[in-house]
Amino acid sequence: DVKVTQSSRYLVKRTGEKVFLECVQDMDHENMFWYRQDPGLGLRLIYFSYDVKMKEKGDIPEGYSVSREKKERFSLILESASTNQTSMYLCASSAIGTGEADTQYFGPGTRLTVL
Amino acid sequence: AQSVTQLDSQVPVFEEAPVELRCNYSSSVSVYLFWYVQYPNQGLQLLLKYLSGSTLVKGINGFEAEFNKSQTSFHLRKPSVHISDTAEYFCAVSAGGYQKVTFGIGTKLQVIP
Repeated sequence: DVKVTQSSRYLVKRTGEKVFLECVQDMDHENMFWYRQDPGLGLRLIYFSYDVKMKEKGDIPEGYSVSREKKERFSLILESASTNQTSMYLCASSAIGTGEADTQYFGPGTRLTVL
Repeated sequence: AQSVTQLDSQVPVFEEAPVELRCNYSSSVSVYLFWYVQYPNQGLQLLLKYLSGSTLVKGINGFEAEFNKSQTSFHLRKPSVHISDTAEYFCAVSAGGYQKVTFGIGTKLQVIP
């Protein structure tokens, strides 16, 4: 089974702090994604990566950055956390290839509260 | 560009009754379609997917969905729901390859004892 793990289930930070959210997958997937989930808005893509050291902006990249130094690890960085970044953050990974294409495997999520 | 519309934000249904969760999509190209389920305080997990072939797709936990190209729909159905089906359900669409997956806003299924 594919396993995607996230470093924290719950996190509380103060406004202005730098926040790191870590995601690790154990299935050698090429693709990794960061979403935020808010009530009534569903999942919105923040950033994604198709390869090591490669990143692409999603729909709402403002206020976020990412890092992918190793294939299995994808980090989301909030340079200066703000209250409007309070949300559930979900990491996902997927493989490249017919049949499995676009099937995403999700971590359990990190509920971030910024005070 | 592609988009997904989930027509109901919440669906209450009595236990052992049938349920249908509606999903419509728009895309200028052929698509892959997905339903994911999210149980409370968990991440999303794949319920079923349509890539090609038979338009009736069967998934886990007794769910099935039918791809209707003419109506651009991919509705999710279950003939008899259980309390454990209480969750949020997300429809998603992708054009494949390196195209991103677009998710709907979700439908909360509440099964009433």
